[in-house]
Amino acid sequence: DTAVSQTPKYLVTQMGNDKSIKCEQNLGHDTMYWYKQDSKKFLKIMFSYNNKELIINETVPNRFSPKSPDKAHLNLHINSLELGDSAVYFCASSKARVNTEAFFGQGTRLTVV
Amino acid sequence: EDQVTQSPEALRLQEGESSSLNCSYTVSGLRGLFWYRQDPGKGPEFLFTLYSAGEEKEKERLKATLTKKESFLHITAPKPEDSATYLCAVHQDDYKLSFGAGTTVTVRA
Repeated sequence: DTAVSQTPKYLVTQMGNDKSIKCEQNLGHDTMYWYKQDSKKFLKIMFSYNNKELIINETVPNRFSPKSPDKAHLNLHINSLELGDSAVYFCASSKARVNTEAFFGQGTRLTVV
Repeated sequence: EDQVTQSPEALRLQEGESSSLNCSYTVSGLRGLFWYRQDPGKGPEFLFTLYSAGEEKEKERLKATLTKKESFLHITAPKPEDSATYLCAVHQDDYKLSFGAGTTVTVRA
């Protein structure tokens, strides 16, 4: 039974399109995250939500908009996709905001052509 | 600027050849240091959490240690299935989990 699941696993789209990535966790965690992993494998946090409230918003273009309809879901919507948005996006969750390990989804490989 | 640096970038080992990975950090207000393993095409998988200098954690052939400035991940008598990228991350006062660039370990039979 998958703890953190994200869909789709692969996403290929053209520049200028709008796309969404969905994430769900069944661990009962309060905190969820979106990370971006670039071609050099460097993981960088984008957003963090705690109990549906945005607590971390890194310097991410406002074309990226996270939405948390409930504690178990954190979706990522991206408008006007650009070539530089190509990366692997990971959703994660943790029991609390600090001092607890995060559990990651399998990732969504986004390719913008 | 706060940062997490991992070395070496890549490590090629013969099966049974023990080695260590390094994670040095220059962050303020360290609330925890985490080690993760990432296999190709998958998300990071949690291994250890270390909270204070002198702390050690072990799991099978892996042992993580922490000092005030760095952490080491020791791999004892590695097997090919230990091949992966090992990521170090630190949790700071601002609740962010900041990752290093990782060390890719390849263990040959």
